Amino acid sequence: DADVTQTPRNRITKTGKRIMLECSQTKGHDRMYWYRQDPGLGLRLIYYSFDVKDINKGEISDGYSVSRQAQAKFSLSLESAIPNQTALYFCATSDPSGDPYEQYFGPGTRLTVT
Amino acid sequence: GENVEQHPSTLSVQEGDSAVIKCTYSDSASNYFPWYKQELGKGPQLIIDIRSNVGEKKDQRIAVTLNKTAKHFSLHITETQPEDSAVYFCAAMGVSGGFKTIFGAGTRLFVKA
Repeated sequence: DADVTQTPRNRITKTGKRIMLECSQTKGHDRMYWYRQDPGLGLRLIYYSFDVKDINKGEISDGYSVSRQAQAKFSLSLESAIPNQTALYFCATSDPSGDPYEQYFGPGTRLTVT
Repeated sequence: GENVEQHPSTLSVQEGDSAVIKCTYSDSASNYFPWYKQELGKGPQLIIDIRSNVGEKKDQRIAVTLNKTAKHFSLHITETQPEDSAVYFCAAMGVSGGFKTIFGAGTRLFVKA
């Protein structure tokens, strides 16, 4: 089984709709991240969490919110989706007690906002 | 803000040739430089990394070099194989940034059989 899972894998939604992307991990890592990938722009950090009570904004947090429901779960919400939020979204984890730098990525969620 | 530039954006090589991807970074406090490989339909996966106290690191056909003075680092893949075809991302991370990773835009590598 995959260590980092994301649901859904693909989603098409309409402008103005609220949508939630979910991430679960079985690695036991405290740190979790949400990234957005756009062609030609690489991966950009949206939000990150170093533990259940810690939530931090990344470089492109506007229009997004997150919830860390448990050590293993980190959800990303788009309160009112807009077309320029069409992108590939990745969740990632890292382990501060091990190698704090390496990140483990999920398979991604392809989101299309029409 | 911090920035990582990556070149080229696309690279096509013949099987067996070498491939080189170059990155430059702006934050002089960066001290960790990973390279990730992303295959189609999958998330990025770490293939090699280098820390600022090392100038070069090699793992079989893959090597990374770092020049901290010039603030650039490179990925070298020798004896390329078709399965090396993927998108490669460089990144830079520093403690001053709260362990946040800044990624380059990616290089799409095609290895022609």
